Amino acid sequence: DAKTTQPNSMESNEEEPVHLPCNHSTISGTDYIHWYRQLPSQGPEYVIHGLTSNVNNRMASLAIAEDRKSSTLILHRATLRDAAVYYCILKVGRSGYALNFGKGTSLLVTP
Amino acid sequence: SAVISQKPSRDICQRGTSLTIQCQVDSQVTMMFWYRQQPGQSLTLIATANQGSEATYESGFVIDKFPISRPNLTFSTLTVSNMSPEDSSIYLCSAGDSSTGELFFGEGSRLTVL
Repeated sequence: DAKTTQPNSMESNEEEPVHLPCNHSTISGTDYIHWYRQLPSQGPEYVIHGLTSNVNNRMASLAIAEDRKSSTLILHRATLRDAAVYYCILKVGRSGYALNFGKGTSLLVTP
Repeated sequence: SAVISQKPSRDICQRGTSLTIQCQVDSQVTMMFWYRQQPGQSLTLIATANQGSEATYESGFVIDKFPISRPNLTFSTLTVSNMSPEDSSIYLCSAGDSSTGELFFGEGSRLTVL
């Protein structure tokens, strides 16, 4: 299975942009790149996903490298509520649809 | 979107007993999964709950220990059998549609085994 590598933790100031990196050098051509986040004491929530092209939604932007071996989740303006563990995931699992979570990046946002 | 409700939200159980966790989704979904999150750790996929057939278990998880049912498109149960303190974890239900690629998660069921 293709693996992802993320920094254990990152820190950002409130209202500043945040760039969360993810390396996935063994990604296959059909693997989608998913980002989820888990706020304290809650289940994970979907952030964004993409295959090859950069993606934008109301929560964030996803920038995917041309060779697809890395990607970056961009929070344009961090708020205190964005403090969470962010997971970069390639869709795997025996059924082909489940998500296998790595350790993620713990994002601290300071006022 | 889908809203997922899990019961119980938390429980304290005795060693050797079994507990069944229920997961209800407010809309029909094609995919349902069960995860475990041990204290301070990431989520680990236990199995895919298949409607009307046996669940698909990931490596390290077996049906005798974690029997799963999914009688219809909106409901699933996970039983944690013959519990030991090592089973103390948060168990999360997840559901979604394969066409959208987005999964929704419940708040989790926090089990403490004494």
